[in-house]
Amino acid sequence: GAVVSQHPSRVICKSGTSVKIECRSLDFQATTMFWYRQFPKQSLMLMATSNEGSKATYEQGVEKDKFLINHASLTLSTLTVTSAHPEDSSFYICSARTSGGARVRGQFFGPGTRLTVL
Amino acid sequence: GQQLNQSPQSMFIQEGEDVSMNCTSSSIFNTWLWYKQEPGEGPVLLIALYKAGELTSNGRLTAQFGITRKDSFLNISASIPSDVGIYFCAHAGGTSYGKLTFGQGTILTVHP
Repeated sequence: GAVVSQHPSRVICKSGTSVKIECRSLDFQATTMFWYRQFPKQSLMLMATSNEGSKATYEQGVEKDKFLINHASLTLSTLTVTSAHPEDSSFYICSARTSGGARVRGQFFGPGTRLTVL
Repeated sequence: GQQLNQSPQSMFIQEGEDVSMNCTSSSIFNTWLWYKQEPGEGPVLLIALYKAGELTSNGRLTAQFGITRKDSFLNISASIPSDVGIYFCAHAGGTSYGKLTFGQGTILTVHP
C-alpha cells in the first residue's frame, strides 16, 4: 500500500511550451502532496506544498506563476511548468502524505519525472 | 532555511565493508529520516527516528538520533552491490508527514 505514481516519467519539450506533470496516490487519499525539484548531483529541494481544494503554498524563490499547481482531488495533484526554458530542465518528484485513519501512515514519494527543455 | 550538513559526499567501498555516514545541524529537530535514492527514482524511506538517543535498525541498516537532537548517523553493515545509491538524511516539521528538508546526500559505490 501507499503507492505514488507520476506521469509522464520523462518529457522533452521545446523552449516556450508548457508541460503538465501528474502525481497520483494510487491506493490512498492524500490531502497534502509536495513537489520537489532535483538538479543533477544535487539534493531534493521543496518547491511547494499542494493542498486539496485550496491554493498551494510555495517555497521562497519559487515562482507561483511559472509553476502552477492544482490539487483537484484527494488522489491527484498536477504541476504545470509554464513557458519552460532550458534552465527548468530537472528531475521533478512529488510526494503524498496519507490522511488520518489511513492504513499506512507517512509520506511517500513518486518515481519522478525527468524534464528536458531544448 | 535550516541547513543539514551531510558527510561524506561520496564513498567508494568494497563489498562486505561497513559504511557510516552522518548529518549535523545547528538547529534542534524532532524527527530524523534516512532515505535511499536509486538512479532515476524517487527516494525511499529507510529509517525514521523520533526520539533523542533512539537507535533503530532495519536489516543491515542502523540509524541513531543524536542525544543533542542536532545530529544523526546511518550505518550499513556488510555492504552488498545493491546498496549502491544516494543516501539522504532529512528532517520534517513535526513528524515524517510534513514537508521535508534534505541533506546534500552521500553517494555510495560498492565494488564487488
